[in-house]
Amino acid sequence: ETGVTQTPRHLVMGMTNKKSLKCEQHLGHNAMYWYKQSAKKPLELMFVYNFKEQTENNSVPSRFSPECPNSSHLFLHLHTLQPEDSALYLCASSQGLAGELRTGELFFGEGSRLTVL
Amino acid sequence: KQEVTQIPAALSVPEGENLVLNCSFTDSAIYNLQWFRQDPGKGLTSLLLIQSSQREQTSGRLNASLDKSSGRSTLYIAASQPGDSATYLCAVMEYGNKLVFGAGTILRVKS
Repeated sequence: ETGVTQTPRHLVMGMTNKKSLKCEQHLGHNAMYWYKQSAKKPLELMFVYNFKEQTENNSVPSRFSPECPNSSHLFLHLHTLQPEDSALYLCASSQGLAGELRTGELFFGEGSRLTVL
Repeated sequence: KQEVTQIPAALSVPEGENLVLNCSFTDSAIYNLQWFRQDPGKGLTSLLLIQSSQREQTSGRLNASLDKSSGRSTLYIAASQPGDSATYLCAVMEYGNKLVFGAGTILRVKS
């Protein structure tokens, strides 16, 4: 398996459910990201992790909870979501520079299409 | 706050035509600029990355330029093909590994 893999590809959940999105990268990168893509809106950065440490939370509501157990895996735990949270959630990775918050090319997964009923 | 604008929002051209997609950004303090392609319902595919110290990058029929001081980038596609039909996204990298995206240009190449 190569590149950035996201599971599940499609998810339908009720507002009271708890679910998780998973991302795995096989590129040896040390920075990982969650982005949200809603219809007719630019991609929005949600979270950034560098060397397993969260370095950016772009004012994301607490019903979204990220987890980065190691540099290859990133999760997004979902709880008590709203219908407006329905979107394509994209994970990405890149080769960050230790001690510097800048990086090279980002590689994206295929995304997880989330529908909240 | 960085804002990235892409013009036009949509473009329809006949096969074989050369075309230019435009991207502008408001804050020139960027580390790099990336162009991506997105097919419907899919993730993003990286096309070209231009470091802030570079002026252009080329890959096959694609050429991207960067004028950091004026906050502009262009993506030139030569001899367009129906397979080039997709949404093209421009994004700039800021300090903190933050990639800020434009809304994209929807390209349709007619055969």
